[in-house]
Amino acid sequence: AQRVTQPEKLLSVFKGAPVELKCNYSYSGSPELFWYVQYSRQRLQLLLRHISRESIKGFTADLNKGETSFHLKKPFAQEEDSAMYYCALSPMDSNYQLIWGAGTKLIIKP
Amino acid sequence: KAGVTQTPRYLIKTRGQQVTLSCSPISGHRSVSWYQQTPGQGLQFLFEYFSETQRNKGNFPGRFSGRQFSNSRSEMNVSTLELGDSALYLCASRRTGAGELFFGEGSRLTVL
Repeated sequence: AQRVTQPEKLLSVFKGAPVELKCNYSYSGSPELFWYVQYSRQRLQLLLRHISRESIKGFTADLNKGETSFHLKKPFAQEEDSAMYYCALSPMDSNYQLIWGAGTKLIIKP
Repeated sequence: KAGVTQTPRYLIKTRGQQVTLSCSPISGHRSVSWYQQTPGQGLQFLFEYFSETQRNKGNFPGRFSGRQFSNSRSEMNVSTLELGDSALYLCASRRTGAGELFFGEGSRLTVL
């Protein structure tokens, strides 16, 4: 079955510390992976997608097909990174119908 | 370019009533999806419309329905409201052939 797992519901780290939000997926084909972010009182928005291979707001995510993971990383957390983060998968043959993880709430402590 | 617009932003209903929520997608976007967001369940997919046709449907009871008009605007309806329907309902649109979803700010429904 197609599934996206974000094992941490809540992740709390100190400002300046490295951050890693985990995302594992279950899919037999070649998926497209996304990270979406929802800051407090703001709309849900795309943070990055694996095919663009970009670094957005200092965040990167590498698709590891062997481990079926797409972890989101940032070397030095900032307080403004506090938000809800969702990992999502789009099977390539699905008209981009997304499969969502449960989300991880990231809290950056001062 | 205006973003995805949802109305109303907030509403309070009582059990047994019905509610209609509206979504105007970004101009040129023909796909509109609806999601229910709650603290306990996260994001739950309701349905997706493309060119006035429901293309995908999530695992929600028949009380939840939707439609899309020829101008791509969409509405969703929930009949016989239950307390558990209290949630933030999000609408998202995207361009044809593109994966990125653009979300509205949501309609926060409270059922008393």
